[in-house]
Amino acid sequence: ETGVTQSPTHLIKTRGQQVTLRCSSQSGHNTVSWYQQALGQGPQFIFQYYREEENGRGNFPPRFSGLQFPNYSSELNVNALELDDSALYLCASSIGQSEYGYTFGSGTRLTVV
Amino acid sequence: EDQVTQSPEALRLQEGESSSLNCSYTVSGLRGLFWYRQDPGKGPEFLFTLYSAGEEKEKERLKATLTKKESFLHITAPKPEDSATYLCAVHGSSNTGKLIFGQGTTLQVKP
Repeated sequence: ETGVTQSPTHLIKTRGQQVTLRCSSQSGHNTVSWYQQALGQGPQFIFQYYREEENGRGNFPPRFSGLQFPNYSSELNVNALELDDSALYLCASSIGQSEYGYTFGSGTRLTVV
Repeated sequence: EDQVTQSPEALRLQEGESSSLNCSYTVSGLRGLFWYRQDPGKGPEFLFTLYSAGEEKEKERLKATLTKKESFLHITAPKPEDSATYLCAVHGSSNTGKLIFGQGTTLQVKP
């Protein structure tokens, strides 16, 4: 059984640029959620995708967008990067809105300079 | 508004010195309370899910308990390898599957 894999592991971007982060869900999981974790803070919910459609969104602006593909992998896109976007971006997969736990990937560390 | 508060923010223990971490929460319609362990630079690792007041779960040196307002993570005779940040999260009755996380408790266990 494979876990959740994210790529790249680290990324440095310049303010104003665009970035795409990728996530492969755990085998058998059909739901993917994205979280932003600033240093020293708990993860903050960005959005969730189920069956390729957005199924809930946190307090993030529209320049944060996502996609889920038929194989349940997912992308997080961020446009017009700001310095405050620097954080660890976590992908979590589950079977539906599972009360049985969400499996997290190791994250992508994004630094905006 | 759903909210999770963890205390203390940081905890230093000697190896073998038992203690408890607290997670206070307010949520509309609790569907689950989760405990995760997070090592530096890594994603959260699932530990437990608790569903209703009075429920308890154990795993090695860890025991999680739940009341209607808070959860405790008890660590018995900790070892240095238990050093990590412990995160508490709740899943409420909304349909988004959104987890609300606390800020975490960073535990350091000294040999």
